[in-house]
Amino acid sequence: DAGVTQSPTHLIKTRGQHVTLRCSPISGHKSVSWYQQVLGQGPQFIFQYYEKEERGRGNFPDRFSARQFPNYSSELNVNALLLGDSALYLCASSLSHSFSGNTIYFGEGSWLTVV
Amino acid sequence: AQTVTQSQPEMSVQEAETVTLSCTYDTSENNYYLFWYKQPPSRQMILVIRQEAYKQQNATENRFSVNFQKAAKSFSLKISDSQLGDTAMYFCAFNRENAGNMLTFGGGTRLMVKP
Repeated sequence: DAGVTQSPTHLIKTRGQHVTLRCSPISGHKSVSWYQQVLGQGPQFIFQYYEKEERGRGNFPDRFSARQFPNYSSELNVNALLLGDSALYLCASSLSHSFSGNTIYFGEGSWLTVV
Repeated sequence: AQTVTQSQPEMSVQEAETVTLSCTYDTSENNYYLFWYKQPPSRQMILVIRQEAYKQQNATENRFSVNFQKAAKSFSLKISDSQLGDTAMYFCAFNRENAGNMLTFGGGTRLMVKP
């Protein structure tokens, strides 16, 4: 079975532009979350989605938004990009939004560079 | 809000020896979960070991074991018989009960295993 897949793997954007990152969870997983990992730091939680509804949001500005589709895949959108948005964006999936021993699986991430 | 602190930015160990990585956390919750994740150069987060706070017994997974001290809010990872493939960033993470995929990560410890 395929793991969590993310696309694109690398991309370069200019300040002020918009970016869309995509994530496909493991088959059967209904919960998807997004993390931002700035170089040299630990990941920071951005969003969690379950059954197409937002179930949690981290301390990120409104320029960050996300959605989940009926097939449980997800998109992370970032508007008006800033240099500080340069980071590895990780997607994670699990069976449900309520952690009851479920293992959380991570994708390999999307490297975003803002110039 | 929860915080997770890893006080050792970098550590090194000789192959076949034992190393312990430290992690402390701060929370007012009584039930929660703690994790150690490994992030090799490929950048994919891999779950190493998990501990439920209500379990007094320390978790073990082959060469990996934890020392969980709930009162001290300490959660260290011991790697026995270190192997070259253990070279990676290691992140300690906290998860509230029923918080789904919302993990709070520490800043990480870079572990180098030397031949």
